[in-house]
Amino acid sequence: AQTVTQSQPEMSVQEAETVTLSCTYDTSESDYYLFWYKQPPSRQMILVIRQEAYKQQNATENRFSVNFQKAAKSFSLKISDSQLGDAAMYFCAYSAGTASKLTFGTGTRLQVTL
Amino acid sequence: DAGVIQSPRHEVTEMGQEVTLRCKPISGHNSLFWYRQTMMRGLELLIYFNNNVPIDDSGMPEDRFSAKMPNASFSTLKIQPSEPRDSAVYFCASSFRRRNTIYFGEGSWLTVV
Repeated sequence: AQTVTQSQPEMSVQEAETVTLSCTYDTSESDYYLFWYKQPPSRQMILVIRQEAYKQQNATENRFSVNFQKAAKSFSLKISDSQLGDAAMYFCAYSAGTASKLTFGTGTRLQVTL
Repeated sequence: DAGVIQSPRHEVTEMGQEVTLRCKPISGHNSLFWYRQTMMRGLELLIYFNNNVPIDDSGMPEDRFSAKMPNASFSTLKIQPSEPRDSAVYFCASSFRRRNTIYFGEGSWLTVV
């Protein structure tokens, strides 16, 4: 069974600084997708970024980028120039290529301080 | 384009009552998922449908829970009878299967007292 592990329950970053959230996963599949979702206090699940396992290039979306290390099964999220609005729970998630259901990690709560 | 639409957004009900949560997926999406989020168990997949057919309902906690998808634009999750331990946020999500990206609704906050 696939598992997703987020080892940092909480992280804190100062506004305008950079923070990296960690995620590791376990799978025997060769075709899969990895995601980061943001959940603000409103509880809505917002897709932040998506990575296809077959792509070597790391995905980027504006201030958000990932460091995808396939051999190490690691998928970290880097947030640059952190803003107060980035404060939220961040969930790492995995989806196998043949079935698109998501397996989530336990989440990392990110605080952004002035 | 409209996202995944869920109703009700909030519901408070008494133990033993029937609860029906509704979902309209994004138009054109052919996969639909029901997730539940609690503090204790995090995000759990309850059931998902492909082309209106239930594919995996192994996450449905017990017979009190049932889900239907009568057509491509509507799904329900029903709890009968409800219990306090069912209190959670229930998310509906949808995707176009080949693209493997799942989009969530805003969730239905259920409180059973």
